[in-house]
Amino acid sequence: SQQGEEDPQALSIQEGENATMNCSYKTSINNLQWYRQNSGRGLVHLILIRSNEREKHSGRLRVTLDTSKKSSSLLITASRAADTASYFCATTKDSSYKLIFGSGTRLLVRP
Amino acid sequence: DADVTQTPRNRITKTGKRIMLECSQTKGHDRMYWYRQDPGLGLRLIYYSFDVKDINKGEISDGYSVSRQAQAKFSLSLESAIPNQTALYFCATSDVWGGTQYFGPGTRLLVL
Repeated sequence: SQQGEEDPQALSIQEGENATMNCSYKTSINNLQWYRQNSGRGLVHLILIRSNEREKHSGRLRVTLDTSKKSSSLLITASRAADTASYFCATTKDSSYKLIFGSGTRLLVRP
Repeated sequence: DADVTQTPRNRITKTGKRIMLECSQTKGHDRMYWYRQDPGLGLRLIYYSFDVKDINKGEISDGYSVSRQAQAKFSLSLESAIPNQTALYFCATSDVWGGTQYFGPGTRLLVL
């Protein structure tokens, strides 16, 4: 079963707008990661946030983590057409080796 | 990521055939993984390995086997392919458990 579930499943925005994607998970985690996948290609790591962190930034990306609500959000500011991709959250539980992926949010940024 | 390569990139095979997907990495990581992705879904772990002597089943290992020939090479075999193994297969590496994973470009497999 999948640990993380992204919301929404699909998102369509205009270039320049901000995009927000959410991830909810069920059990305690070690860390939560966000990955991007361009159509039919391999996943690319975007950002990792540890369970004791609440917010991280990387360029136009902002990730928040609320362990009390078992949720995370990924904000992409000033979106570009090149941001069009699927975005996945993935979690690791305690000392587990496993990276458990959600089913992803498909983002379309219209030029 | 060019540091993780997969061959072939596309493969069409018939039911019952044995096929091998290969993965090589130049990142120097000990940990390697094989995942499967079905349309509209996230990735599911098939097998993972710490080194050539350490092979572990993931959540969907039935019908698959693996071989860790060297630190840099990790192969996935389908002993007798069936149509529901049609999927996109990814190899990944990491330097620590639970850390960032680096993915290959994927192999698109079609089983007729």
